[in-house]
Amino acid sequence: GNSVTQMEGPVTLSEEAFLTINCTYTATGYPSLFWYVQYPGEGLQLLLKATKADDKGSNKGFEATYRKETTSFHLEKGSVQVSDSAVYFCALSDPSGAGSYQLTFGKGTKLSVIP
Amino acid sequence: EAGVTQFPSHSVIEKGQTVTLRCDPISGHDNLYWYRRVMGKEIKFLLHFVKESKQDESGMPNNRFLAERTGGTYSTLKVQPAELEDSGVYFCASSQDKVRGETQYFGPGTRLLVL
Repeated sequence: GNSVTQMEGPVTLSEEAFLTINCTYTATGYPSLFWYVQYPGEGLQLLLKATKADDKGSNKGFEATYRKETTSFHLEKGSVQVSDSAVYFCALSDPSGAGSYQLTFGKGTKLSVIP
Repeated sequence: EAGVTQFPSHSVIEKGQTVTLRCDPISGHDNLYWYRRVMGKEIKFLLHFVKESKQDESGMPNNRFLAERTGGTYSTLKVQPAELEDSGVYFCASSQDKVRGETQYFGPGTRLLVL
């Protein structure tokens, strides 16, 4: 079956530090990959996505590249801000089988950025 | 454009009682998904509607859970009777099309606590 493994937090960084959150996946088909973010008190929001190998998703200074050879989709940001404090979820969508585009999520990584 | 809304935001009930959660998707979105996050675990898929039809209900934990989407608009998820292990956050998401890489838009979630 499908699964997503992401580094467990919590992760605490100082403002302007470099961020990497590792994410690897297992899928039966050829999945699309996503990063969702949940800010305190809010629902999940799409941060970025990639639908094929070597695609790079980017948004708000965050980037992730779909690496099929290593089955990875690591999230990076060069300089984090306090406002980036949130829980980050890696997810995949693989419609093989039931034909449903359900998302399979990792456990989430809580990021805290301190001034 | 209004986002996905869920009601109630919080619910505290006793074991054996019934609770009904409601989700209003983004207008025009045919696809509606229910997910659940139990404390400390991953967000797990429950089921997927396409309009009023259940496309995939492979994630429903047992027959105490009943989901409906009459008329293809809003959806309800009823838990009857509720058990302690049903506590968690229930998310609803919607998407317009059923295509590769389609973004799912999430609601804020309903926090359910069963005592």
